[in-house]
Amino acid sequence: QVQLVESGGGLVKPGGSLRLSCAASGFTFADYYMGWIRQAPGKGLEWVSYISTRATTIYYADSVKGRFTISRDDAKNSLDLQMNSLRAEDTAVYYCARVLGYYLDYWGQGTLVTVSS
Amino acid sequence: EIVLTQSPATLSLSPGERATLSCRASQSVSIYLGWYQQKPGQAPRLLIYDASNRATGIPARFSGSGSGTDFTLTISSLEPEDFAVYYCQQRSNWPFTFGPGTKVDIK
Repeated sequence: QVQLVESGGGLVKPGGSLRLSCAASGFTFADYYMGWIRQAPGKGLEWVSYISTRATTIYYADSVKGRFTISRDDAKNSLDLQMNSLRAEDTAVYYCARVLGYYLDYWGQGTLVTVSS
Repeated sequence: EIVLTQSPATLSLSPGERATLSCRASQSVSIYLGWYQQKPGQAPRLLIYDASNRATGIPARFSGSGSGTDFTLTISSLEPEDFAVYYCQQRSNWPFTFGPGTKVDIK
């Protein structure tokens, strides 16, 4: 069965960096686009970034452009999100998700990122 | 950026009742709209894609309709496990955006 497991969340000071990872299993990872979506505490959903197969196409939300970098390692079935220059408004649960037709058909359970001094 | 609005914000119903949720887009998204269900402490689950197609394993009591700017998610007869927050999402233009959600709670 499809499994997505995020890791790397935690508490970081404003201006700091964090790298999230997502371990995928149960499907042919290299055949799918993948994405990161976040949800601030008690708030709605924001699609942060997605990466195509072979990483030929990458998109970012304006709110993270220039600060976040998405990447994938098809040999390791892994998706990463490097987050730099973190701000308080980046505090959220970050979900890794499989993209199918630009919808999100499988999601991980999320990892909490808290940006606070 | 395409803005999605959802109404009502909260829908209070009893098990067995019909739920009708609305999502409106600030510009046409054709049929490129999906619906997700999220329960407390859980990740969202895809219910409907391309306005009216049920995702794998989704019960037939969930149905979607609409095109252009106006869309509806209908739950024909609410089961206890259906009380949750429902989000719409457009995939017509990047950034792909979500609506603010409709909470379906028990009356």
